[in-house]
This record gives sequence, C-alpha cells and structure tokens, in this order.
Amino acid sequence: DTAVSQTPKYLVTQMGNDKSIKCEQNLGHDTMYWYKQDSKKFLKIMFSYNNKELIINETVPNRFSPKSPDKAHLNLHINSLELGDSAVYFCASSQGGTGQPQHFGDGTRLSIL
Amino acid sequence: QQPVQSPQAVILREGEDAVINCSSSKALYSVHWYRQKHGEAPIFLMILLKGGEQKGHDKISASFNEKKQQSSLYLTASQLSYSGTYFCGTVTGANNLFFGTGTRLTVIP
Repeated sequence: DTAVSQTPKYLVTQMGNDKSIKCEQNLGHDTMYWYKQDSKKFLKIMFSYNNKELIINETVPNRFSPKSPDKAHLNLHINSLELGDSAVYFCASSQGGTGQPQHFGDGTRLSIL
Repeated sequence: QQPVQSPQAVILREGEDAVINCSSSKALYSVHWYRQKHGEAPIFLMILLKGGEQKGHDKISASFNEKKQQSSLYLTASQLSYSGTYFCGTVTGANNLFFGTGTRLTVIP
C-alpha cells in the first residue's frame, strides 16, 4: 500500500495554463505539506497544513494554492503557469506537525513548455 | 532561512567514514536528516529534538549542537547503499521545515 501518493507523476503543459496536482495519504496523519525541488535539487517548503492551520512560505507566489477536501488529501493548484515553475513537486505528511518525521510521495515532475 | 551544508559533495570508497555538517543562522528547535536517491523521494533518517542530543542507527548517527546552531551526520564504514543526497532540515520558530543545500555522497567499490 502506498503511504503518500501523488498524481500525476509527470505533467507537461504550456505557459499560462492552470493545473492541479493531487496528493493523498493513507497514514492517518494530521499534517500535510507541499515542497518544490528545483533543478539544483534545493527542496523548499511551500505549504504546511493541518485541520486548524495553513502555514504559507512567504516566498510562494499567490498563483499557488493548496486545497484540502479532507484530512487525507492536499491538492496543489497552480494558476497561470510560468517557465520557472518547472520542478519536481513533493507532497509529504506527518503526524503531530513539523517536528515529526515526514513521509514523502514519489513526486510530480512538472515541465512547462 | 535555508541551512547550509558542507561539503557539497563527497566521494568515498566502501568502508570509509564521512561527516556532513549542517549550519543555520537561526535558533533551532529541531534538526531532521533525510536521504534522497536519484529520481526518488526523500527518506527520513532521524530527528534530533534537544540540544546536545545524539542519535544513531546502524552505522549512521548524528549530533545536534543547539548553541552553535549546527548538526552533523556521521556515516561510518560506508556501504554502496549509502549513496545519495543527504539533506538536513531545520525547524525554527516559524514552524516550517527548511531543508539544507544538500550533500551528494557517492560510495564506490
């Protein structure tokens, strides 16, 4: 059973489009995250979210928005895609917040043409 | 807020030891260590929650110097399976996990 699953695995699209990446975790965790890993392999936190609180990294453009239909899902919606958005996006989850081990999904490789 | 890791890359022969350092400019609440193999997701190794805490399993261990805002990861008697990029992650008052710049470790036979 996959603990944290993301879809799609690959996403190729054109500049200006709007796209979503889905994330689901079956670990019963209460906190979920989105990270961006660029071509230099830097991993940057974008959002962390639990039932009570959304913490946004202030460097994330407001074209990016997390949407959580329930505790087990945290989707990432991106408006007006730009070339610089090309990266691998990882979803992760943990139980008890940021100070606990995080389990990562396999990543979504987003390529903007 | 991104912690800095050193070295950026290291090549070892099987059986050799390595130390990876992680340094932050901000006060730290905890330090995480992860390993990521090429094309795969980061995998959790360990968390250090208290200043001065040391942890380890198998031949990988870590220390956390809260006062110096630093952590070090120690890999002893390295194995081929240790190859990958190691990231420290630091939790500061903002309560988000900020990953370090990464250290690419390559173990050769």
